[in-house]
Amino acid sequence: ETGVTQTPRHLVMGMTNKKSLKCEQHLGHNAMYWYKQSAKKPLELMFVYNFKEQTENNSVPSRFSPECPNSSHLFLHLHTLQPEDSALYLCASSPITSATYEQYFGPGTRLTVT
Amino acid sequence: RKEVEQDPGPFNVPEGATVAFNCTYSNSASQSFFWYRQDCRKEPKLLMSVYSSGNEDGRFTAQLNRASQYISLLIRDSKLSDSATYLCVVNRNTGGFKTIFGAGTRLFVKA
Repeated sequence: ETGVTQTPRHLVMGMTNKKSLKCEQHLGHNAMYWYKQSAKKPLELMFVYNFKEQTENNSVPSRFSPECPNSSHLFLHLHTLQPEDSALYLCASSPITSATYEQYFGPGTRLTVT
Repeated sequence: RKEVEQDPGPFNVPEGATVAFNCTYSNSASQSFFWYRQDCRKEPKLLMSVYSSGNEDGRFTAQLNRASQYISLLIRDSKLSDSATYLCVVNRNTGGFKTIFGAGTRLFVKA
């Protein structure tokens, strides 16, 4: 079983709602990632955190706001989303942000924006 | 051109067949390479790392050709349970850490 958990597993929200996705890793890692996977598209890296510091933001719209309070927890705050934001949002972790290490993924949150 | 490209698939093979997936990458500074497996509506899971010397794990063999910037995954004696999407992943530290996922190749193994 994966050492990365995500909640909720499914989320339906209206365009005016505010919600948050939560990720927790139990692997003792220091790097955490948010990815978006839309239907029939490759994974898109959104944000990267290393030792709680954001090291990458891949031109993600401001309606997505990440938060990393400690190395084990990562949040994605959502507000005024668009229907095209409907996707599977995956969290991952690795020991640090280094090319050497593979990432371990959580089960994802399937988000539907109505 | 995408930095990591894979065979588009899908591959439809009978049980017991040998199937090979290819992946090419464009940045010569790429350092580490991985194959992941993703089942329908599930998260990607690490299948194996890819080493320059090639590596094998049971029915699975991964090869890396740095000169050609090419990675492969060979699956022998395919099982029904091998049906999934196989993702090629390339990491590098040059210019900051980068991790790039290929679009994946879908495999269907049929009885």
